[in-house]
Order: sequence, then C-alpha cells, then structure tokens
Amino acid sequence: DAGVTQSPTHLIKTRGQQVTLRCSPKSGHDTVSWYQQALGQGPQFIFQYYEEEERQRGNFPDRFSGHQFPNYSSELNVNALLLGDSALYLCASSYPSIIGGSGELFFGEGSRLTVL
Amino acid sequence: GIQVEQSPPDLILQEGANSTLRCNFSDSVNNLQWFHQNPWGQLINLFYIPSGTKQNGRLSATTVATERYSLLYISSSQTTDSGVYFCAVDRPGNTPLVFGKGTRLSVIA
Repeated sequence: DAGVTQSPTHLIKTRGQQVTLRCSPKSGHDTVSWYQQALGQGPQFIFQYYEEEERQRGNFPDRFSGHQFPNYSSELNVNALLLGDSALYLCASSYPSIIGGSGELFFGEGSRLTVL
Repeated sequence: GIQVEQSPPDLILQEGANSTLRCNFSDSVNNLQWFHQNPWGQLINLFYIPSGTKQNGRLSATTVATERYSLLYISSSQTTDSGVYFCAVDRPGNTPLVFGKGTRLSVIA
C-alpha cells in the first residue's frame, strides 16, 4: 500500500520564478491538504482540496494556488517566488471524518524548496 | 483560531530514560494527532487520539479532552527517538489540522 508521495524532493529556484509541486495521496484517500513548514516552525496550513475543489484555505496569498485531479492527486503552484517562500512543503491525505474535521492525516516526505 | 502549546520546547535525555511531552489546546477538539518528524523532514504518525489512552510499544499517549491536554510518554528512550514531536488538533466542522511548535528531543548514548 503506497503512502503519500511527493515530487520533487528538493528544488532550487530564484526570486520571481514559479514552481509546481506534486502529490499523490495514500490509496483510498480523496482529500489532500498542503502545509508549509519554515525552518524551526510547525507546519502551517495552506489549503485543502476535496472533489477537485478548494474546500478550505489558510492565511496565504493568492500567489499560492492548487489543483486536484480526478484521480485525487494534487498540485501546489507558487508564483512570483519570494525568498520567504523557502520552506519544506508537505502534502497530507485523508478521507473526511464522518463527524467533521480533517480525519486522520498521513504526510508525504515533503518537497524542500530553496529560493535564491 | 485554536491555540496549541507544547512543552517543553527542547529536551535532552540519556539513552534509556523516560520522558513526558505535553500538549495543551485552547478549545474543544475533534481530532488530535501526535507526529514524530525525523531528521529528513517526514512526519510519522504516532497516535490518532482525540480522547483516551493508547499504547504502541515504548510509546503511549493520553488525551483528556475535557481538560484540554494530551500527554505523550516515551519509555526507555533510544537515539532513534531523536527528532521533533508535534501535536496537532482540529475543531469540529471542516477545520484544518493546527500544529503546535513542537518539542525537539535529543537522545544521547
């Protein structure tokens, strides 16, 4: 049973460029959430996708956008990169909890983005 | 939004020692998870424990939802237990998982 997979694992970009990160959820999961983790901090919620739509969004600018495909995989796009976007980007999958909330989340290994 | 506080922020243990990590949260929660982040950055699920007590080998966790805290116990610590331990919660309804700042554990031989 494949877990959550992310690509690429590492990448380096320069300010102003755009980046796309990819995520395949754990088998049987239909909900994908993206988190940003700066060095020394806990993960911060970016947004969540369910049924190919953005269902929730954290406090991130519109430069951060995403997409979910019919097979439940997802992409995170960041435009006009800033130095402060350097971070570990984590994807998590789950299936919606019957009683609401995130359900148990399972995380991928992350994509480490460095912006120069 | 809900606040999650973890203590202590840093902990250094001798191999074989026991430890208790604490997570306090500011409101009622629907879900509580403990994670271990390894040196390569991956978040490993330890417990999904909105209430009650669970055990998995040398690790156990207890959540007292009515008093808004959870405890993670590590017994007979090993060097491989080193890393950052995160507590994360969400509230009833469609709310995202909110993380604490973590406890950085270093186990020395």
